[in-house]
Amino acid sequence: NAGVTQTPKFQVLKTGQSMTLQCAQDMNHEYMSWYRQDPGMGLRLIHYSVGAGITDQGEVPNGYNVSRSTTEDFPLRLLSAAPSQTSVYFCASSKGLEETQYFGPGTRLLVL
Amino acid sequence: SQQGEEDPQALSIQEGENATMNCSYKTSINNLQWYRQNSGRGLVHLILIRSNEREKHSGRLRVTLDTSKKSSSLLITASRAADTASYFCATDSNFGNEKLTFGTGTRLTIIP
Repeated sequence: NAGVTQTPKFQVLKTGQSMTLQCAQDMNHEYMSWYRQDPGMGLRLIHYSVGAGITDQGEVPNGYNVSRSTTEDFPLRLLSAAPSQTSVYFCASSKGLEETQYFGPGTRLLVL
Repeated sequence: SQQGEEDPQALSIQEGENATMNCSYKTSINNLQWYRQNSGRGLVHLILIRSNEREKHSGRLRVTLDTSKKSSSLLITASRAADTASYFCATDSNFGNEKLTFGTGTRLTIIP
């Protein structure tokens, strides 16, 4: 199993550009989530999904969209990038909320 | 706002000593998990303790949970240089909102 994969590993955007961060898992996990990690802030939940076709907002959802058309994929879309979205983004998946979360390696995003 | 807050923010100890870090949270929980993050990497699950458990062991790790004080502690015994990492607690609220929220982390440095 590849586990949780994220692409790209690193991305530079200009303010106003849009892009999609990809996340995929091959463990047939129902629960998937996106976090951003900023220095001194820990991980903050952006969006999460409890299964295909079901998504909900986390703590910091503004400026981001998600969809879950399949169990395997959970892309995160930045609609119009802003410097405040410069961060490291982690995707995670698990069988359920009470189970071990498996994290991807992260995407480092720089918005100029 | 963060559900969990780790204490201390940073901790440096000599190799072989024990390391203790604490997590406090705000709302009633179903479970509490501890994760480790090596620099620049994704998080790795260490241990999960349920709200009806008071103590749990895994190798050199010992976790306690005091629901009356809304706090947990992680003890790493006989520390090794490889334990150098950031440690995070994560909680899921028992309000049924399907969210897992992380604390701000403790940065542990083991001095050889």
